[in-house]
Amino acid sequence: DTGVSQDPRHKITKRGQNVTFRCDPISEHNRLYWYRQTLGQGPEFLTYFQNEAQLEKSRLLSDRFSAERPKGSFSTLEIQRTEQGDSAMYLCASSLAGLLNSPLHFGNGTRLTVT
Amino acid sequence: AQRVTQPEKLLSVFKGAPVELKCNYSYSGSPELFWYVQYSRQRLQLLLRHISRESIKGFTADLNKGETSFHLKKPFAQEEDSAMYYCALNTGNQFYFGTGTSLTVIP
Repeated sequence: DTGVSQDPRHKITKRGQNVTFRCDPISEHNRLYWYRQTLGQGPEFLTYFQNEAQLEKSRLLSDRFSAERPKGSFSTLEIQRTEQGDSAMYLCASSLAGLLNSPLHFGNGTRLTVT
Repeated sequence: AQRVTQPEKLLSVFKGAPVELKCNYSYSGSPELFWYVQYSRQRLQLLLRHISRESIKGFTADLNKGETSFHLKKPFAQEEDSAMYYCALNTGNQFYFGTGTSLTVIP
């Protein structure tokens, strides 16, 4: 296991199209997080899962965004009817819940450009 | 509300000089604090965490609950330290990140 992997690395789409990103966490990690990062900002929390349960969603996650983690392993983040404001780096991270001070382990991210 | 503040967006120091990257947090509970680093074209990676009180790549950070700070320090900066640094607060469910400080070490 080489860490958290995300696919694709880059996605260019036209406004109004739907896009889906995938994240494969570190295999023994039960928590999976999605963050968004725009230029000059730190990662902003979107949502997180513990196993297959989505436990928290940010207000940033509009109705056009949906995330799933059906079997408690990989996760997908879908954005419907993309807007130019959705252009950002989407980061996935995983961690081990219950372990004191367990850090996040990040993937390389998916860079979305909406034209 | 939980918040992490990194007041310096950009910081430049000469090689061999001491460096301090500031981080202040706001949280009513018991904080768990981390520093993450992002080198050019690489993923965000953990640099250090307050609970382990370790020194990684010569960097240290001390949690000061009275000043609600977790500043990152290194006595002698190296060129390979040039990177983006993020301070992060874990509240148990979420990690909150600062806006980051871009450190440039001038040869």
